[in-house]
Amino acid sequence: SQQGEEDPQALSIQEGENATMNCSYKTSINNLQWYRQNSGRGLVHLILIRSNEREKHSGRLRVTLDTSKKSSSLLITASRAADTASYFCASGKAGSYQLTFGKGTKLSVIP
Amino acid sequence: KAGVTQTPRYLIKTRGQQVTLSCSPISGHRSVSWYQQTPGQGLQFLFEYFSETQRNKGNFPGRFSGRQFSNSRSEMNVSTLELGDSALYLCASSLGAVLGRDSPLHFGNGTRLTVT
Repeated sequence: SQQGEEDPQALSIQEGENATMNCSYKTSINNLQWYRQNSGRGLVHLILIRSNEREKHSGRLRVTLDTSKKSSSLLITASRAADTASYFCASGKAGSYQLTFGKGTKLSVIP
Repeated sequence: KAGVTQTPRYLIKTRGQQVTLSCSPISGHRSVSWYQQTPGQGLQFLFEYFSETQRNKGNFPGRFSGRQFSNSRSEMNVSTLELGDSALYLCASSLGAVLGRDSPLHFGNGTRLTVT
């Protein structure tokens, strides 16, 4: 079963607004990563947060991690039409060699 | 540096046939993972190779197999194709020796397999 589950499944916002996506996972992790996928293409790595970190920033992206609640959130500030894509969280399970992906949040940014 | 290259980009096969997909990782990356992506199931982990050894395998039937060569290039094979095998197959390479530990995945654009 999928370890990560994103919420919401779909999100539609106006350009300039902020977009927040949430992710939950089930087991102990080494790290949690966020990826973006444009339609029909491969995934692009956005940001990685380690299990001992609580918050991380990269440009307009802000990721938080709450290991006690087994959840993470991705905030995209001042969204642009080019941010339209699907966003996936992926958890690196402790002691495992695989990343487990959630089903993603489909973000639409309306110009 | 060149990115992850997957070939072919599109493939149409008939039920019962077999197919081989190829992946060339980023130079210097020794870990290669394969994922199946479908609208219903999302991204499902198939297997991961490091230095020609399969270190982890997902929950797929034995019809799905893979291998990695000494130059880190990888292939996956699906035998006796079923309609449900229609999917986008994604390959990803990684630098780290321990996947998921501070080592992001770099994905190719995938092979779109259609089984008729």
